[in-house]
Amino acid sequence: QQQVKQSPQSLIVQKGGISIINCAYENTAFDYFPWYQQFPGKGPALLIAIRPDVSEKKEGRFTISFNKSAKQFSLHIMDSQPGDSATYFCAASKDSWGKLQFGAGTQVVVTP
Amino acid sequence: DTGVSQDPRHKITKRGQNVTFRCDPISEHNRLYWYRQTLGQGPEFLTYFQNEAQLEKSRLLSDRFSAERPKGSFSTLEIQRTEQGDSAMYLCASSVLAGYADTQYFGPGTRLTVL
Repeated sequence: QQQVKQSPQSLIVQKGGISIINCAYENTAFDYFPWYQQFPGKGPALLIAIRPDVSEKKEGRFTISFNKSAKQFSLHIMDSQPGDSATYFCAASKDSWGKLQFGAGTQVVVTP
Repeated sequence: DTGVSQDPRHKITKRGQNVTFRCDPISEHNRLYWYRQTLGQGPEFLTYFQNEAQLEKSRLLSDRFSAERPKGSFSTLEIQRTEQGDSAMYLCASSVLAGYADTQYFGPGTRLTVL
């Protein structure tokens, strides 16, 4: 069964807008939550990551919000740019290392 | 380029044939992971190594799949008697524990098509 559920499956946002992607998990043993960005024909690339003792982490235009009690976390892409058009995956792992459990991905399209 | 490299990038084979993929991790990364990704899905864990030891193997991995990492450097993933359901992107990632987490860096993948 899928241990990390991601939504929406796809979204379209205008340039300059905010993209929001949500993920939920069940396994409370998860303690590392990275987000990966993947362009067609490429491998996933780490974007930003958070651990459960932090409620928010910001790196440039990308922010992760984490709600430990709800077992949910989300990625916000501020001031979205056409170059942000890609597929985004949330993931989780136990013990801060080891295998990653990925969500199904969100295809983001930023229109000019 | 000192990233993770994979070879070949594309492989087309006929059902029943054996195929082998190679992954060269980032130098000095002691962990190496294999994932499989099908269209429209996130990567799915297959197996991982710490140095030359294979520490975990997914229950989804049939006996037709085998992976090795001799000398703790490059790794190979072999699929015997390929089936059409094996068609996917096979991703390799390497890592070294930095700070509190094991940041995994992915290669470009090998796309396998089984006819």
